[in-house]
Amino acid sequence: QVQLHESGPGLVKPSETLSLTCTVSGYSISSGYYWGWIRRPPGKGLEWIGTIYHSGPTYYNPSLKSRISISLDTSKNQFSLRLSSVTAADTAVYYCARSPCTSTSCYVDFWGQGTLVTVSS
Amino acid sequence: QSVLTQPPSVSGAPGQRVTISCTGTSSSIGARYTVHWYQQLPGTAPTLLIYDDNNRPSGVPDRFSGSKSGTSASLAITGLQAEDEADYYCQSYDSRLSAWVFGGGTKLTVL
Repeated sequence: QVQLHESGPGLVKPSETLSLTCTVSGYSISSGYYWGWIRRPPGKGLEWIGTIYHSGPTYYNPSLKSRISISLDTSKNQFSLRLSSVTAADTAVYYCARSPCTSTSCYVDFWGQGTLVTVSS
Repeated sequence: QSVLTQPPSVSGAPGQRVTISCTGTSSSIGARYTVHWYQQLPGTAPTLLIYDDNNRPSGVPDRFSGSKSGTSASLAITGLQAEDEADYYCQSYDSRLSAWVFGGGTKLTVL
């Protein structure tokens, strides 16, 4: 069974960089699929952050693109998110996810349990 | 403001049928990008309910079904049960935005 688990600081100061890591078990991330991040701010809906293909190409939400970086570490079977210059608006539960994709769309078939990141001084 | 529009809430009594709509645009659902649905129970991560408009992953009861027409999609739940009380999200792709897009979510209350 594929499992994903997010880890990282739960509190980040404004203007600093948010860094999260997703550890995958039950599947080798270098074997296929897309891997990415989705968040849910308090009281709001889900927002796609970005996705990386197993061979490296990345796809970012245009509204966040200037601040995001997603990378793979296949030796550890992990992928990571870096979001720079954070503000209170970046406070959210962050989920890592595995995605099958076709020519007509991508979806998430496995989610991490989510980790709350609060931006506050 | 979400790119895909869902009603904020729906409700129904046990055993009834409810539907949740998801309205997109000509650059998302209307452009033939497929629609996916997720269920998020309180305090848990979302789970995949329907993928590619009308396909159920293994383990999802056939009480849940999806459909799509034009620029809109719908999720139908029949034989409503108390454990169906959750938030439901639709998701697709928008070529104008070059982004995955979600609906704002619909809270289902079982009366």
